[in-house]
Amino acid sequence: AQSVTQLDSQVPVFEEAPVELRCNYSSSVSVYLFWYVQYPNQGLQLLLKYLSGSTLVKGINGFEAEFNKSQTSFHLRKPSVHISDTAEYFCAVSGLSNDYKLSFGAGTTVTVRA
Amino acid sequence: DTGVSQNPRHKITKRGQNVTFRCDPISEHNRLYWYRQTLGQGPEFLTYFQNEAQLEKSRLLSDRFSAERPKGSFSTLEIQRTEQGDSAMYLCASSLASSSDPYEQYFGPGTRLTVT
Repeated sequence: AQSVTQLDSQVPVFEEAPVELRCNYSSSVSVYLFWYVQYPNQGLQLLLKYLSGSTLVKGINGFEAEFNKSQTSFHLRKPSVHISDTAEYFCAVSGLSNDYKLSFGAGTTVTVRA
Repeated sequence: DTGVSQNPRHKITKRGQNVTFRCDPISEHNRLYWYRQTLGQGPEFLTYFQNEAQLEKSRLLSDRFSAERPKGSFSTLEIQRTEQGDSAMYLCASSLASSSDPYEQYFGPGTRLTVT
């Protein structure tokens, strides 16, 4: 089984400042990693994913994440945030099995202030 | 492609009543997943289907819960004799298991259930 820990429940940040959301995972097998965003009253939208290859993954809306196998981490970053980035962000993991089901962290609420 | 849709978006019910939710996946997707999200938590896996076959059920899914996907299209999730602990957002997601990226799940907006 896999589990995910998101180390920050809330992250306030000023507009145009950088942001980093921390995610650590636990698994006895190799995993695939994901970041999803959930805007108010909307479903989850995939930001980016790591399946294999380069450990630096670029996603939509200027986000990127780095997979670190030795530290079992997959932190999400954005160099300059906008008001519209205010949302809840979820880190998720899936084991290399053909059920493809996701295990999510508890989420990080990002609030961007002007 | 109109995405994954869920109905109703909100449901308020009294304890002990039965409720049913519907999910319409992206039309060509053969996988359909149900997740439950409680306040302050991330989504938790409940069950999934490949076409019309229900392949796995989480231990979270008590006997009061049943899910179906007749003809491999839309799916329904029924909760019998609702309890206050069932209050949550119920999310549906679909994917194409045979694609080059079977891990990408597309989520619907969810059905928020409130049990009073």
